[in-house]
Amino acid sequence: DTGVSQNPRHKITKRGQNVTFRCDPISEHNRLYWYRQTLGQGPEFLTYFQNEAQLEKSRLLSDRFSAERPKGSFSTLEIQRTEQGDSAMYLCASSLVPTGELFFGEGSRLTVL
Amino acid sequence: GENVEQHPSTLSVQEGDSAVIKCTYSDSASNYFPWYKQELGKRPQLIIDIRSNVGEKKDQRIAVTLNKTAKHFSLHITETQPEDSAVYFCAATINTGNQFYFGTGTSLTVIP
Repeated sequence: DTGVSQNPRHKITKRGQNVTFRCDPISEHNRLYWYRQTLGQGPEFLTYFQNEAQLEKSRLLSDRFSAERPKGSFSTLEIQRTEQGDSAMYLCASSLVPTGELFFGEGSRLTVL
Repeated sequence: GENVEQHPSTLSVQEGDSAVIKCTYSDSASNYFPWYKQELGKRPQLIIDIRSNVGEKKDQRIAVTLNKTAKHFSLHITETQPEDSAVYFCAATINTGNQFYFGTGTSLTVIP
């Protein structure tokens, strides 16, 4: 499968714990995006990368959220000191500039107890 | 930043009828407008897109129209089929490759 892959697919954690999600984009794609999706809502933009450079991070929900793409390939999204309000689906997508089509992964569902 | 509004939130149609979903955007600089379909438990997938230099685009039973002056764009599905049942999201962005802003989604149900 050469699509975008995310893991873990589902993470259950207790409030206050740290969680990390990984995204492996389509190999030749230079743009990588993180979105959050809650039930009944559209994907909410969090951050994106051009290769290893993080071009926009002001939309990260709080300073507990951080993302990296250290070598311009896979990316991680970390949430520190999780809260129940962080429960959501975290979607990763990649694209090849300039065509622009976003290819989404299956998502990582976070449940904070 | 961009604000995208989408209506209706739910839509039920009889098989064979047409469905129309409308979106408005706030940033006049937005110039790329894709539509994504998300089936239950699956990832969003692009179904059609339009750029600001055209007013309409068709792909078989699906069409998208864009009114730049009014800052709204619409998805039209004709001859709907049960497999069209899904959640549809519109989005807007300034130049492909930048952050996309999504609408809140329309849950379409096609009744056989």
